[in-house]
Amino acid sequence: KAGVTQTPRYLIKTRGQQVTLSCSPISGHRSVSWYQQTPGQGLQFLFEYFSETQRNKGNFPGRFSGRQFSNSRSEMNVSTLELGDSALYLCASSLTSGSLTGELFFGEGSRLTVL
Amino acid sequence: AQSVSQHNHHVILSEAASLELGCNYSYGGTVNLFWYVQYPGQHLQLLLKYFSGDPLVKGIKGFEAEFIKSKFSFNLRKPSVQWSDTAEYFCAVSTGTASKLTFGTGTRLQVTL
Repeated sequence: KAGVTQTPRYLIKTRGQQVTLSCSPISGHRSVSWYQQTPGQGLQFLFEYFSETQRNKGNFPGRFSGRQFSNSRSEMNVSTLELGDSALYLCASSLTSGSLTGELFFGEGSRLTVL
Repeated sequence: AQSVSQHNHHVILSEAASLELGCNYSYGGTVNLFWYVQYPGQHLQLLLKYFSGDPLVKGIKGFEAEFIKSKFSFNLRKPSVQWSDTAEYFCAVSTGTASKLTFGTGTRLQVTL
């Protein structure tokens, strides 16, 4: 069974640009959530999507947005990039939203560097 | 809002030594507790979880954790570590939606031969 796939794995952007990251969840999983991982702040929740609807949102500015498609694949977008957006962006999938199974399956992440 | 503290940032142990990693959370209500592990070059994966019932939970690879409600703690233990346990360990808590986890800053465990 294929795991969570994130693309691209690495990318470099300059300040002011925008970026789109993609996540394909495990087959059959309908919930996708996104996390930002940085050395200073650790892992921080960005948002969660389930059945193409945003279910939860973390404390990030509006420059960070996402969406989910009917096949459960998800994208997140960061506009007007800042140096502080440099991070590893992790996608995680789970069977359902709010499930008590509690297990999130993480991808390997997309490492974004903003110059 | 809830928060999670992991007091040990970097732990170095010899093989066969016992391990205990501290995790404390701040939230007055019902919580779900998790430990995730990230081996070098690999993705985060679930080690064990606690929702309710027996406060001593067992996970994969011989790890266990004990939920002590009065201390707001969920410490991770292993009686005898192996070199292959070298990894970063993250404690996490959710207060409802299991997909919204609040993570601690992580503890890097280095096991020497």
